[in-house]
This record gives sequence, C-alpha cells and structure tokens, in this order.
Amino acid sequence: RKEVEQDPGPFNVPEGATVAFNCTYSNSASQSFFWYRQDCRKEPKLLMSVYSSGNEDGRFTAQLNRASQYISLLIRDSKLSDSATYLCVVSNFGNEKLTFGTGTRLTIIP
Amino acid sequence: SQTIHQWPATLVQPVGSPLSLECTVEGTSNPNLYWYRQAAGRGLQLLFYSVGIGQISSEVPQNLSASRPQDRQFILSSKKLLLSDSGFYLCAWSVWQGGRQPQHFGDGTRLSIL
Repeated sequence: RKEVEQDPGPFNVPEGATVAFNCTYSNSASQSFFWYRQDCRKEPKLLMSVYSSGNEDGRFTAQLNRASQYISLLIRDSKLSDSATYLCVVSNFGNEKLTFGTGTRLTIIP
Repeated sequence: SQTIHQWPATLVQPVGSPLSLECTVEGTSNPNLYWYRQAAGRGLQLLFYSVGIGQISSEVPQNLSASRPQDRQFILSSKKLLLSDSGFYLCAWSVWQGGRQPQHFGDGTRLSIL
C-alpha cells in the first residue's frame, strides 16, 4: 500500500462549482499534513497546511480525519485559475522528509 | 524573506556527459535541503536530502550524487548521464523542525538527455 494515495482524476468541473478531493495516508503516526498545487511544467507550491481542527483560507477548506486517516480539500466557487494538479503531502515526526502523493488533476471548465 | 534559486532552467545533454545542477537558498540559516526528480506525468521522487553541511542522505541508488559544500548550497551531480536521467529536477528547502514544516521549491531544471 502506498504511504499517500490520491485519486488521480481528472476532475472536470464547471466554473463556479464546488469540488472536493480526498487523500488517504497509511502511517497512523503521521504528524503534519499539507496541500500543494502544481501547475503544468511548474514547481509545486504550498497551498495550505492542514490542522487538526480543520482550517480555511478563502475559498479553500482543508480537513483532517485522524481516525480514518484521510485529509480533504474543498474548493468553493471554483475559478479557471484553480486548474492544476493538487498534491497531498504527509510527514512523520522526527522524519525530515515529506511524502508526496502523485496528485489529483483538476480542470475547471468555462 | 527566504528565496531559493536553481539553475539552469533548461538543459540538454548527451548520454554519457557529466551533470552539475546548483541550488542556493537565501534568507535563512541551516535549512534542510532536498533534491527531487519528476518524470513526465509522474509524481515526485526524492533523490537526496541534507540536514547540514556535508551531511547527505541518499534515497535512491543510481548514478547521481549530491553535495552540500556550504550551508545554503546544494549541488546535484553525475559523472555519466543515462537516458533515464531525463526529467524535471527540483530543489527544495525547509526550516529544520523534525519534518513538521512544509518544503518550498525552486523553479526547477528541465533536463533532456539525447
């Protein structure tokens, strides 16, 4: 089983709609969680950290479910500029490495 | 603020030629440094990481090597490139804190082997 698993998509969503992605992780000792976005042929960029109580940043909401070992990302009122690949990222305490999922591809359709 | 510089942006090399990619970070001290490779349409593969000068951890055995001659400089090298070395090479840094901090990436180097 992969350490971090994501549905690769693609998700084709009309502009203005709400879209949600889930990501599951296998290590119950995982401590830190992040969402990154990667545009085509560009470097990954940090979108947001994911906190235990859930957190929101504008149209983006991230949630963590430790019992079921998954994190989610919700995008409301989607924009054309949200089209990208979204990477789920997990780290374990004392480990200087991050584990990246292979990403979920999102395309917003006008 | 912290910035990360990676060069060159694009590189075309013949099989069997050497490689040197350089990455530098500004605005922070004693960062963790990382080299990743991303093949076309694939996920990120961690190649090397470093928690201090001269300290290199290798994740994948291959014909690549890494060095950290200075606190904020990380170099990826190869003596003889293979066709399979083609890909998008990314350098990243993070604050040292037991892996609880996110990583921040440079713009990447797109390497094509002919």
